[in-house]
Amino acid sequence: DGGITQSPKYLFRKEGQNVTLSCEQNLNHDAMYWYRQDPGQGLRLIYYSQIVNDFQKGDIAEGYSVSREKKESFPLTVTSAQKNPTAFYLCASAGSLQETQYFGPGTRLLVL
Amino acid sequence: KQEVTQIPAALSVPEGENLVLNCSFTDSAIYNLQWFRQDPGKGLTSLLLIQSSQREQTSGRLNASLDKSSGRSTLYIAASQPGDSATYLCAVSGFQKLVFGTGTRLLVSP
Repeated sequence: DGGITQSPKYLFRKEGQNVTLSCEQNLNHDAMYWYRQDPGQGLRLIYYSQIVNDFQKGDIAEGYSVSREKKESFPLTVTSAQKNPTAFYLCASAGSLQETQYFGPGTRLLVL
Repeated sequence: KQEVTQIPAALSVPEGENLVLNCSFTDSAIYNLQWFRQDPGKGLTSLLLIQSSQREQTSGRLNASLDKSSGRSTLYIAASQPGDSATYLCAVSGFQKLVFGTGTRLLVSP
């Protein structure tokens, strides 16, 4: 059953805490992406990766970090430097940068 | 900087109507344009992808057109159904990334 999965579905962050959102795909895609979605706004790109061990900043990378140690996995860490982390986070993958992106179900991050 | 605008922001129609959603973009140097559907609290589902060299794509009751020179795309939904109720997002693919519009929230009432 091919697809892209994200966990957890809901995540709560305390003040000053780093949290990590998981994204896994078994579609054999090279490219992976992280987006943030806020109410009334379109998706904004946080980070993307074209290949293992390589990634680039998107439009709103400050306060976030990523790694791409395996082709299947692209975890996102929301650091304490991100002062407004409450949002819906979406991970996507694609065969290449110009192909259709397939999205995971999302993780909703809330601040306690 | 690429900007993508979708009009209207919300649309409510009775079941059975044909409808058109609009998307405009400021930079015509794109690789492709995609239309997605998003249900509340869910991820995005790809509906149609139009390459920059194409004029339109069709899938079932959906037809998407692209006029790159004028920076416009339309998504036509024929014979709308309550199950079509969702937010529809368009996104243009430039160098290395997609730029999304803010979406059109569609409600089809029985």
